[in-house]
Parts: sequence; C-alpha cells; structure tokens
Amino acid sequence: QVQLQESGPGLVKPSETLSLTCTVSGGSMSSNYWSWIRQPPGKGLEWIGYIYYSGGTTYSPSLKSRVTISVDTSKKQFSLRLRSVTAADTAVYYCARHPMWDGAFDIWGQGTVVTVSS
Amino acid sequence: QSVLTQPPSASGTPGQRVTISCSGSSSNIGRRTVNWYQQLPGTAPKILIYSNSQRPSGVPDRFSGSKSGTSASLAISGLQSEDEADYYCAAWDDSLDGQVFGGGTKLTVL
Repeated sequence: QVQLQESGPGLVKPSETLSLTCTVSGGSMSSNYWSWIRQPPGKGLEWIGYIYYSGGTTYSPSLKSRVTISVDTSKKQFSLRLRSVTAADTAVYYCARHPMWDGAFDIWGQGTVVTVSS
Repeated sequence: QSVLTQPPSASGTPGQRVTISCSGSSSNIGRRTVNWYQQLPGTAPKILIYSNSQRPSGVPDRFSGSKSGTSASLAISGLQSEDEADYYCAAWDDSLDGQVFGGGTKLTVL
C-alpha cells in the first residue's frame, strides 16, 4: 500500500526558507494529486497547495506569494519550499495524496514538526 | 476563523449517538462534496467519510455522513471510547480556489 514520509530540517530561522520533501513508497505517483497541509500547535488544519504528478500546481491564496511545490517522479518525491518564514509558520507539516484535484486526502504522511526560531 | 464552521467540542457517553455539524456557503459545501477526517491524539488525520457520505474500507458503519444545502453532518452511533478524537470537515471552495477545512471538533467520550 502507498505510504508517505516527510523529511527536512526541524528548525528554520526567521526570514529563511523552509524546505521539506515527501517520499512516496509502495505505489506510483501517476494520475494523482499531491498536497501539503500544515497544523500549527493546538490549532486546526490548513491546506498549503497541491501538485499534479505531471507538474501542474495550485496554491492557497493566503500563501501563494511564498510557496513553491515541485515534483520529481523519478525519485517518487515532491517538495515544498516556503520563503520568508516567521514564527507563524511553526507547525506540523503533512503531505497527502488525493486522486481528484478537489477530492479527499486519502493517504497522509505521519507529519514533521518545523519550528521557526532564531 | 475557518471558512467552514464546526462546534469546537462535542461529547457523549458510550453507546450514545452524536452528531457534528459543518456549516459552509454556496461557494464550498453548496456546490462541492464534503469530506470528514478523524485525528486521534498525536497522530496524522485519517479519512473517515468522503464524497459526503461514502466510507472508505475499514471505517466502521457506525460513522455516517450527510449533506443538505450548505451544511453537512457527521454522525457517530454506538459511541466508543476509541472515538475520542478531533474531527474535521473539508471541501473545495470555488471562490478561494482552494481546499478549506473546518476548525475542528474535539469529541469527548464521557
């Protein structure tokens, strides 16, 4: 069965760029959409954006100016870059799969904690 | 605040039936399907209900979803202690051009 695993630095300095990677195992990336979602401490879920396996992207309007999501199907990975981070970007970051662009997230990674602090 | 509105908390006793509401608008729930996620303490969210009322394999039939107009509901019957979790509704929003979540409902089994 398909599994997702997030990886990347757990600590990022303010004004720098947060970079995370999600590795897909147990299945293909083809014909699926791949999203990043985050959850600040003690708060709810926030969708960041998605990428189609062929490279098309859609981003949350509130984060669009700072976000880039890319994909490398040969490595079965997709990545998140969030620029100019502040303490408000401290959160657990999840990657997730959805077969439809507007559909349910049917598989989630376990999440990775990212703290923004000097 | 969240685009979709959920009560912050809900509770029930074992065996009871509880419902959690999710209120939206014509740009999201009114024209798109609703999905529900369960997040057990310290874990990643898990899909519970998709396309308003469909259960993925492995989800007990104690969980059911419905939608009417710009609102949706999650019902849990035969409440069990392991159902204690946070529950989130979600849908695509055509005005925002993005996926939106409810603020989450913390379910306590008394």
